[in-house]
Amino acid sequence: DSGVTQTPKHLITATGQRVTLRCSPRSGDLSVYWYQQSLDQGLQFLIQYYNGEERAKGNILERFSAQQFPDLHSELNLSSLELGDSALYFCASSWTDSTDTQYFGPGTRLTVL
Amino acid sequence: EDKVVQSPLSLVVHEGDTVTLNCSYEVTNFRSLLWYKQEKKAPTFLFMLTSSGIEKKSGRLSSILDKKELFSILNITATQTGDSAVYLCAQTSYDKVIFGPGTSLSVIP
Repeated sequence: DSGVTQTPKHLITATGQRVTLRCSPRSGDLSVYWYQQSLDQGLQFLIQYYNGEERAKGNILERFSAQQFPDLHSELNLSSLELGDSALYFCASSWTDSTDTQYFGPGTRLTVL
Repeated sequence: EDKVVQSPLSLVVHEGDTVTLNCSYEVTNFRSLLWYKQEKKAPTFLFMLTSSGIEKKSGRLSSILDKKELFSILNITATQTGDSAVYLCAQTSYDKVIFGPGTSLSVIP
């Protein structure tokens, strides 16, 4: 158990819908990272927040957005969902604002029908 | 475009064998090289490497970085069936993390 929690564990929804994935970092960690893992794309870095502010951006679509709240939990919002958005979404946390050792949550499996 | 390459992509060995997994990178503004093990769940952290030539060890696993040649290796000695997993390497810079495709290791009894 890494100490990072993610909810929900599984999510099934239809195309065009919007969903919110939630992540709570390890106690004391200030950085939260979001990743998407699909069979054909591997693990892709989406975005990083540090202490409430966006710190780094990866391959995140404009339909996706994220934020980190004062209590340091983070939410990833996915809108206008497409079939290709079906994937495992991981959240990771680390103590620093630089992209070093990260501890991964169990992931949220999103299925878009 | 920055990328991380891993080889081999897949490997099948017998218990007790020693394996070497390779990771090469081309990313600018290097900060660290990370190794993760992923079974049927989230990746778990193995090593972080920042300096050339310094070996990191944890039990039967060890890793080393060569910053001049831009590669890292992960060694696993006396493999066990519990080592079966996908091993991911990732190169970090100050503003991004790029993962390689992973090496799928299967250890058969």
